[in-house]
Amino acid sequence: DAGVIQSPRHEVTEMGQEVTLRCKPISGHNSLFWYRQTMMRGLELLIYFNNNVPIDDSGMPEDRFSAKMPNASFSTLKIQPSEPRDSAVYFCASSLSGPHSPLHFGNGTRLTVT
Amino acid sequence: AQSVAQPEDQVNVAEGNPLTVKCTYSVSGNPYLFWYVQYPNRGLQFLLKYITGDNLVKGSYGFEAEFNKSQTSFHLKKPSALVSDSALYFCAVRFTGGGNKLTFGTGTQLKVEL
Repeated sequence: DAGVIQSPRHEVTEMGQEVTLRCKPISGHNSLFWYRQTMMRGLELLIYFNNNVPIDDSGMPEDRFSAKMPNASFSTLKIQPSEPRDSAVYFCASSLSGPHSPLHFGNGTRLTVT
Repeated sequence: AQSVAQPEDQVNVAEGNPLTVKCTYSVSGNPYLFWYVQYPNRGLQFLLKYITGDNLVKGSYGFEAEFNKSQTSFHLKKPSALVSDSALYFCAVRFTGGGNKLTFGTGTQLKVEL
């Protein structure tokens, strides 16, 4: 079990640039979550998918953020254009469906927007 | 709406002493409760969960948690703390009818000193 794989681990970009974060969930998991962690706001759920379909995107900050899951083994979170306030650690997590199932987290992408 | 509260930002304890990290929750249905731990520059790791049944749940690394329905609490405990237990701990909740969405508390920094 390779776990949830996120890339890149670190991303430094300039304000206005497009940023794409990538996630490979654990094979067989059919739910995928994107979270953002900051000192000020803690851990925030941005969006989650069940069976590749977005279920709840109410946490997506604004239209600059978009997420896709084209298949069961890959998801992206895109920020366009990026702003300094987007600087945070972004986590992807996956789980089996059902309320009993714990989430398995990747090691995150640390995004810095200058 | 579901929510979870961790009233302490930080807990300090001496190695060998028992530790408690507090968590209270609010949900509209039956709760499913989880504890996670986060080490620096890593993703969250699942420790234990309460679904139903025994109110005392045992998990990884010697941790346990006690579910108390009347007090709507799910405190994390360990009989004898280790320096290596120092980390950030998160409580999280789902509820029946709430889909797969997992809501996290703000986290409690545990510091175990010699």
